[in-house]
Amino acid sequence: EPEVTQTPSHQVTQMGQEVILRCVPISNHLYFYWYRQILGQKVEFLVSFYNNEISEKSEIFDDQFSVERPDGSNFTLKIRSTKLEDSAMYFCASIEWATNNEQFFGPGTRLTVL
Amino acid sequence: GESVGLHLPTLSVQEGDNSIINCAYSNSASDYFIWYKQESGKGPQFIIDIRSNMDKRQGQRVTVLLNKTVKHLSLQIAATQPGDSAVYFCAENDYVSGTYKYIFGTGTRLKVLA
Repeated sequence: EPEVTQTPSHQVTQMGQEVILRCVPISNHLYFYWYRQILGQKVEFLVSFYNNEISEKSEIFDDQFSVERPDGSNFTLKIRSTKLEDSAMYFCASIEWATNNEQFFGPGTRLTVL
Repeated sequence: GESVGLHLPTLSVQEGDNSIINCAYSNSASDYFIWYKQESGKGPQFIIDIRSNMDKRQGQRVTVLLNKTVKHLSLQIAATQPGDSAVYFCAENDYVSGTYKYIFGTGTRLKVLA
């Protein structure tokens, strides 16, 4: 069964450093998302991406964040200068869209900022 | 502003009993609702969805009820099993207005007692 994959599973970084979180959405999916979940809290929408551009973004997704689909398979989230409060689980998700709106989530990347 | 919230943070049920998890939403324009299950250390997993033109939808052992009058959503799990223990989130989306972001509720932890 196709699935969304994410790497790394855990990323530890120093405050101020740049991190890139990687996702491989399901191959025939058209809409991609990044979400954040701070420990014990709800899942928060960060950004959606369609047709090689950002479709929507939340107020969390400020200038420190960027997304990219560098090739036909990867979808990345970059945080330019990490802050302590960026520590969270980051989930990638994708939707096929044309015929199915079910959102498939990846296993997440745990980001720890020290 | 938009908000999706849950009435009970933790629900404990005996194995074999039925579970009911509730969710209130505030955006009356939302027209698509999803229930997700999140097990520890994993990403949210789609359980069932419902569109606003329906008030009930059944899946395998799960039923979602939508009451648009009071903006309330519930998830019923029949014959709850130990494997159902997880955090359950409701999420909403307002497709008609052209937004494709999903707003998640705070989550209810379901504990199944043997």
